[in-house]
Amino acid sequence: RKEVEQDPGPFNVPEGATVAFNCTYSNSASQSFFWYRQDCRKEPKLLMSVYSSGNEDGRFTAQLNRASQYISLLIRDSKLSDSATYLCVVPTGGFKTIFGAGTRLFVKA
Amino acid sequence: EADIYQTPRYLVIGTGKKITLECSQTMGHDKMYWYQQDPGMELHLIHYSYGVNSTEKGDLSSESTVSRIRTEHFPLTLESARPSHTSQYLCASMTGGYTGELFFGEGSRLTVL
Repeated sequence: RKEVEQDPGPFNVPEGATVAFNCTYSNSASQSFFWYRQDCRKEPKLLMSVYSSGNEDGRFTAQLNRASQYISLLIRDSKLSDSATYLCVVPTGGFKTIFGAGTRLFVKA
Repeated sequence: EADIYQTPRYLVIGTGKKITLECSQTMGHDKMYWYQQDPGMELHLIHYSYGVNSTEKGDLSSESTVSRIRTEHFPLTLESARPSHTSQYLCASMTGGYTGELFFGEGSRLTVL
C-alpha cells in the first residue's frame, strides 16, 4: 500500500459544479497535511494547508479525518481556471515529504 | 513569490555529456530537495539535504549526484547523460521544522538525445 493514495481521476465536471477529492495516508503520526495544485508542465504550488480538522479559503475547503486517516478537498462553483492536477502532500515527520500521485481535474464550459 | 531559482529552464544535450542543474534559494532554508517528474506522472524524490554537507538519496534510484556546500545552493549533476535521464527536475526547499511548506523552483526540463 502506498503511503499516500489519492482518487485517480480524472474528474470531468461542468463549470459551477462542486467536486471533492479524497486522499488517504498511512502514517498515523503525521500532524500536518497540504494540498498543492500543479498546472500542466509547471511546478506545484501550495493551495491549502491543514493542521487541525479543516481549513476553508473561498471556494476551497480541506477537511481532515484523523480517525480514518484521510483528507478531502472540496471545490465549490468550479471555474475553468481550476483545471489542474491536485496533489495531496503528507510530511513524514522526518525530512521527507510524501506526494500522492495527484488527481486531475478538468472543468468544462 | 518563492525565492528559489533553477537554471537552465530547458536543456537539450547529447548522450554522454556531463550536466549540472543549478538550484539556489534566498530564503535561508536548511532543507532542500530534488524531485524528478515525467509528463503527466507523479513526483519522485531523488535527493534531499537537511543542511550544509548533508545529502541523502531519495526514494527513486537516480544516477545523479548532489552537493550542498552552501545553504543556498543545491546543484544536481549527471556525469554522463543518457536518453533515460530525459525528464523534468524540480528543486524545492522547505520552511522550518518538518511540517513546513515546500517551495518549488520552476523546474529544469532536460532532453537527452
